[in-house]
Amino acid sequence: EVQLLESGGGLVQPGGSLRLSCAASGFTFNNFAMTWVRQAPGKGLEWVSTITGSGGTIYYADSVKGRFTISRDNSKNTLFLQMTSLRAEDTAVYYCAKAIAAAKISLDSWGQGTLVTVSS
Amino acid sequence: EILLTQSPATLSLSPGDGATLSCRASESVGNFLAWYQQKPGQAPRLLIYDVSNRATGIPARFSGSGYGTDFTLTISSLEPEDFAVYYCQQRINWPPITFGQGTRLEIK
Repeated sequence: EVQLLESGGGLVQPGGSLRLSCAASGFTFNNFAMTWVRQAPGKGLEWVSTITGSGGTIYYADSVKGRFTISRDNSKNTLFLQMTSLRAEDTAVYYCAKAIAAAKISLDSWGQGTLVTVSS
Repeated sequence: EILLTQSPATLSLSPGDGATLSCRASESVGNFLAWYQQKPGQAPRLLIYDVSNRATGIPARFSGSGYGTDFTLTISSLEPEDFAVYYCQQRINWPPITFGQGTRLEIK
C-alpha cells in the first residue's frame, strides 16, 4: 500500500523559512515523479512543484519560483520542499502526491497534508 | 497557461440521481485530463485519468468522457458518500499543471 506522510508544517512569520518533508513507502520511490500541491483555506488546488524520479528535472509554479526548492533523497524515500521568503499568501495545506506513472502527472496517491500558516 | 473552467459551481442533487459535471479548457488538452474528488478535511483522491480511465478502486458509477476542450464527469447513481468537491486537472502543456476551480456536489 502506498503511503505518503508529510511533516514540517507550522506557524512562521512573513519572510521566514520552513522545510516540509514527505516520507514515502509502498512503491519504488525513484521510479516516480513527485509533486507538491497546496490548498489555501477554503480555496481550490494549486500546483506548486514537480520533480522527476531521478531528481534531474524540476518545475515550479511562477508563484513560488525563486523562493521554494523541491528536492528528494531516493536513498531515504523522502521528498522535500524548502520554502523561504514566505508570504501570507503561502498559507495553505501542502500535499505531496505521487504521479500515476513515471512522468504522467496524474496524481494517484496523496498524503494527508501539512498546514503552513504565515502570519505575524 | 491553460485555464480550466468547471460548471456548475454547485450542483444540488439527491442520492440515486445521476450527476453530470463539466470541465472546459481554454485550449486543447487532448486526452490529458484527470478528475479528483475531495471530501472535507481529506486529501483529494484520483477518480479518472486520461479522460476516461478509472483509477484503482474507483466504482464503475464514475465515468469520464470528452476530448480537446470539453470534458464530462458522470456519476450514474449518486451514493451518499459521493457528495464532495470535484476538480479537473490537465497535464498536456505544463508547467504549469492546472486545476479547475471545483464543483461542489451537495445533497438537495
